[in-house]
Amino acid sequence: GAVVSQHPSRVICKSGTSVKIECRSLDFQATTMFWYRQFPKQSLMLMATSNEGSKATYEQGVEKDKFLINHASLTLSTLTVTSAHPEDSSFYICSAREPGLGQPQHFGDGTRLSIL
Amino acid sequence: EDKVVQSPLSLVVHEGDTVTLNCSYEVTNFRSLLWYKQEKKAPTFLFMLTSSGIEKKSGRLSSILDKKELFSILNITATQTGDSAVYLCAINTNAGKSTFGDGTTLTVKP
Repeated sequence: GAVVSQHPSRVICKSGTSVKIECRSLDFQATTMFWYRQFPKQSLMLMATSNEGSKATYEQGVEKDKFLINHASLTLSTLTVTSAHPEDSSFYICSAREPGLGQPQHFGDGTRLSIL
Repeated sequence: EDKVVQSPLSLVVHEGDTVTLNCSYEVTNFRSLLWYKQEKKAPTFLFMLTSSGIEKKSGRLSSILDKKELFSILNITATQTGDSAVYLCAINTNAGKSTFGDGTTLTVKP
């Protein structure tokens, strides 16, 4: 089945640090990738939709200068949390959709970010 | 605004029981409905449904869609403790948008 790799799985760093998370589709080309944030015992909250070769589309309330997304190739998207603060601590999950609008998303294992 | 509502929010059963999880939706330009299972990490894909009345089955899990009633169910028979998870329902639209429900937390006790 389709595999999405997300790295790193865990980050602990000091306030003010910028953190980069990578999302790779390993066995299929993903023109669209998604970035989610999930708080404990809550559902996935879509942050942005990342389209290869174009600017990401951010959901309302998500600061694009804070959460920089780059989707430079059909198999790689990155999310950079700039100047992270404790309130940015969360579980971040990426997904990649198989080609075709209605196709399933396949999720990475997520990154747990803790900002001290 | 697209909307996906799952019920119940949580459910506790014993091993061997059969459970039915519900997903209703209101979306513009429906394309597909998907079920995912989320344990400790990120969700894993279970089923994709696009047509009414056609049951998808995988082992003890099955799912069916009613596009007239805007509703889907996910059935799990002979539940096991390994079925304990959050089950998420999501809708894809023709505009390429995905909307997730809040999930149903299933706990299966030995």
